[in-house]
Amino acid sequence: EDQVTQSPEALRLQEGESSSLNCSYTVSGLRGLFWYRQDPGKGPEFLFTLYSAGEEKEKERLKATLTKKESFLHITAPKPEDSATYLCAVGGGDDYKLSFGAGTTVTVRA
Amino acid sequence: DSGVTQTPKHLITATGQRVTLRCSPRSGDLSVYWYQQSLDQGLQFLIQYYNGEERAKGNILERFSAQQFPDLHSELNLSSLELGDSALYFCASSERDTETQYFGPGTRLLVL
Repeated sequence: EDQVTQSPEALRLQEGESSSLNCSYTVSGLRGLFWYRQDPGKGPEFLFTLYSAGEEKEKERLKATLTKKESFLHITAPKPEDSATYLCAVGGGDDYKLSFGAGTTVTVRA
Repeated sequence: DSGVTQTPKHLITATGQRVTLRCSPRSGDLSVYWYQQSLDQGLQFLIQYYNGEERAKGNILERFSAQQFPDLHSELNLSSLELGDSALYFCASSERDTETQYFGPGTRLLVL
């Protein structure tokens, strides 16, 4: 069974204070690793898909990286609008479901 | 806006009742996925349909069922509702099975 563990559970940052979120996973036959952002009461918003170890993707202040066992989401010089819960998910094997981690809730103070 | 629409936004009902949640995928997407998100369980995959046919099943209760219609919209039916069924229900769609899933805004279900 696919497993996804995210750490830390919560992260409080000062505006401009860069940090990283971790996503450790076990999956049989990785089809893709996905990062989503979710605001309270809203649907997850797609950020990145990573397919193979060594791959990196960037979007504004966010950068996602992938190894064979984990992924990192780096937040550079965050702003208060980056406050959200960041979800990591993996798709693997023969089925097409996504298995989600519990998320990291990021709070950025001005 | 992901392009995935869900109705209704909120639903309040009583135990033992039956409700139907509706989802319209993004234009051109053939796959529809349903997920349940509760405070203690996080996002859990329920079921996937691809072009009208059931493709994958997750931890979906026997009291729950779904279908995808010829116009590709999908409905999730929840029956004999229990207090524990209170949760956010999300629909997602993708163009192909292995592509990125885009989520709708969700339906918040409260069972009293």
